[in-house]
Amino acid sequence: DIQMTQSPSTLSASVGDRVTITCRASQSISSWLAWYQQKPGKAPKFMIYDASSLESGVPSRFSGSGSGTEFTLTISSLQPDDLATYYCQQYNSYPYSFGQGTKLEIK
Amino acid sequence: QVQLVQSGAEVKKPGASVKVSCKASGYTFTAFYMHWVRQAPGQGLEWMGWINPNSGGTNFAQKFQGRVSMTRDTSISTAYMELDRLRSDDTAVYFCTRGGCSGSDCFTESNLDQWGQGTQITVSS
Repeated sequence: DIQMTQSPSTLSASVGDRVTITCRASQSISSWLAWYQQKPGKAPKFMIYDASSLESGVPSRFSGSGSGTEFTLTISSLQPDDLATYYCQQYNSYPYSFGQGTKLEIK
Repeated sequence: QVQLVQSGAEVKKPGASVKVSCKASGYTFTAFYMHWVRQAPGQGLEWMGWINPNSGGTNFAQKFQGRVSMTRDTSISTAYMELDRLRSDDTAVYFCTRGGCSGSDCFTESNLDQWGQGTQITVSS
């Protein structure tokens, strides 16, 4: 099974900051990676697929990059609405697996 | 618009079974996998498996093999997940989530593009 590891687990940043979250896979997953945003008490929201493609309607301040085993999610200018936990997920092979999540806090 | 509407919260005793429903609307139900993902309190997301609503075929995470079943009723565009022999560590929010497409192939490994609102299942004596 493929293990996904995110860092950091918690991130505190100010409005306007550039924020980067890292996700590492235990083996190569090519670009078969998605990112999700989950706000407290809500279902996850699909944000990015194939490592770097933005889902329709997602603000352009979000971007993804990487391939193989190392990936990043970047928010170019943090907004108050971005307070959430972010998860990466590999869909290279079953069983699907998620990172443990990165909780983003606004300073 | 695509909607996945799940059944309500349930409290079950250890050893019991639970069946969660997920009613789909706004798209062709039989054209996409339906996956189930759960989230224990304060924890991350855990993939359980999928059902192909067209064929009824399933694929489960090994952890749940023998204890989970996934079925569907195409006449009402509804998917079901049943978990048997419940334990306290099955306490979680259970989500149904639609599998996306890779190009024109919607029955392949892909992201999870639409999510139900979640169903809280509590297992307690």
